[in-house]
Formats: sequence, C-alpha cells, structure tokens
Amino acid sequence: EVKLVESGGGVVRPGGSLRLSCAGSGFIFDDYVMSWVRQAPGKGLEWISAISWNGDNTGYADSVKGRFTISRDNAKNSLYLQMNSLTVDDTALYYCARDGVSRCDYWGQGTLVTVSS
Amino acid sequence: QSVLTQPPSASGTPGQRVTISCSGSDSNIGYNTVNWYQQFTGTAPKRLIYSNSQRPSGVPDRFSGSKSGTSASLAISGLQSEDEADYYCAAWDDSLNVYVFGTGTKVTVL
Repeated sequence: EVKLVESGGGVVRPGGSLRLSCAGSGFIFDDYVMSWVRQAPGKGLEWISAISWNGDNTGYADSVKGRFTISRDNAKNSLYLQMNSLTVDDTALYYCARDGVSRCDYWGQGTLVTVSS
Repeated sequence: QSVLTQPPSASGTPGQRVTISCSGSDSNIGYNTVNWYQQFTGTAPKRLIYSNSQRPSGVPDRFSGSKSGTSASLAISGLQSEDEADYYCAAWDDSLNVYVFGTGTKVTVL
C-alpha cells in the first residue's frame, strides 16, 4: 500500500522558516517524481513544486519561487520542502503527492502551516 | 487565480446524472491530459480520473471523464449520497510550467 506521511508543520512568524518532510512507503521511492501541493483554509488546491526522481530537476510555482526549496533523500525515502521568508499567504495545509502514471496519483494526509504574528 | 474554470457548485437528487465542466486553454487542457480529484471535507484529495477518461482501480464506473478541445467534463451517473464532495480538475500548463488545478466544484446530493 502506498503511504505518504507529512510532518514538520506548525506556527511560525512572518519572515520565518520551516522545513516540511514527507516519508514515503509501499513503493520504490526513487522511481517517482514527487510534488508538493497546498490548500489554504477554505480554498482550492495549488501545486507549488515538484522534483525529479534523482533531484536533478525541480520546478516551482511563481508564488514560492526563490523562497521555497524542494529536495529529496532517496536513501531515506523522504521528500522535503524548505520554506523561507514565510508570509501570511503561505498559511495552508501542505500535501506531498507522488507523480505516477499521472501527476499526484497518491497524496499524504497533509501538514498544517500557520504563519501568524 | 486558477486558469482552469469550474462551476462553484452542482447538485442533484440520488440517481440523477451530474456533470461538472472544466474550461481551460490551449496551453493546458488543449495540449495535455486532464486529471480529476475528489476531496471529502477534512480529508486529502484522491485521484478520481486520469488521462482524461481513465478510472483507477476501485473508482466506481459511475464516474466518467471526457475532454474536447480546451474543455473537460466529469460526469457522475446514478448520483449517491456518498458522492457529496469537492471535485477538482487539473492539467499541466505548458506556458506557465506549472500543474494547474481548477477552481473546484462542490457537489451536493439533495
């Protein structure tokens, strides 16, 4: 069974930083592109970043480019999202997702990031 | 804001057919396949349809997807109470180089 478990969310002040993690199991982690998607409270889904199987290629939404960095450690079956210069607009539930036959074929349960003073 | 437009809501009585539209452009739906996701309140999204019309194993065949030009549709035939959820379309956008989601449609079973 494919399982994705996010962690690392919490409350942070504007301008602060946070590092999210996503642990994958039930599949060969380094066979897959991985993505992060977020959902602000009461709002829709927003894709924010993806990383190739070996980490050589990454992509970002304009809303996070230059502030967020996606990375992975295939030896640990883990995906990461380093978030810097956080603003209140970054408050959201952050999901990691696997890109299989299609993008975002499996999702984790999400980790909540709240940016507030 | 999202580049894929969906109606904010749709509804029907049990057993009815409900259709949700997703309107985009050449750079997304026009040149790429469409996926659909189902999200129940308080839970993570789940892939419902991929590659325009393919159902993952375990998804009931009352859910179907189609695409024509720069628009796509999700149909729910034989609507059931457990189908009450939010539904999102999504596609890669070649111009923006991002995976774009639709605005989302809340389906209510009357």
